[in-house]
Amino acid sequence: DTEVTQTPKHLVMGMTNKKSLKCEQHMGHRAMYWYKQKAKKPPELMFVYSYEKLSINESVPSRFSPECPNSSLLNLHLHALQPEDSALYLCASSRPGQGFGEKLFFGSGTQLSVL
Amino acid sequence: DQQVKQNSPSLSVQEGRISILNCDYTNSMFDYFLWYKKYPAEGPTFLISISSIKDKNEDGRFTVFLNKSAKHLSLHIVPSQPGDSAVYFCAASRGYGGSQGNLIFGKGTKLSVKP
Repeated sequence: DTEVTQTPKHLVMGMTNKKSLKCEQHMGHRAMYWYKQKAKKPPELMFVYSYEKLSINESVPSRFSPECPNSSLLNLHLHALQPEDSALYLCASSRPGQGFGEKLFFGSGTQLSVL
Repeated sequence: DQQVKQNSPSLSVQEGRISILNCDYTNSMFDYFLWYKKYPAEGPTFLISISSIKDKNEDGRFTVFLNKSAKHLSLHIVPSQPGDSAVYFCAASRGYGGSQGNLIFGKGTKLSVKP
């Protein structure tokens, strides 16, 4: 199994809603990532979890709250988002310890629209 | 400040010919470079990488060349196939204390291979 599975594929939410994005991998990877990608822009790193601990938070607003319940799962909890938060949210995983910039496996993403 | 630049937003090539995608970077501390391919509605998939201690890495039809003095790398696809039509992202990373996943992506080049 070399897949990173993200659900849902599409999400439309209002600014007062609370929703969660989910990511799952069964490759035994111990590093998991959230990226945000806006149209015609490169992916931008949001969070990194290493061995279920948050190791990088790229100054992301608190309306985005990551959670890593176990080594296979990664969630992104969303609350009080703004329309400018509409984007493709990508989850990725990798084997830590191979060196920096090691190969990431990406999921297909969740296309989020905030109304 | 863009540290990884892909100055060609699009490239069109005839099937069977060579595709050359270019990438420039500004940070001399980058020591690892990767190319990702992205189809619509899918996450990026890893294609090929190169360490800064090398100047060439080859994998089948794909070859990446690195010119450190010029801070330039290129991806060659020979021969190009219609299935290679996708957006190609160049990414770079550097190691620094305990951080992972600090890939910096370029904006991408959309390759179209015409039959």
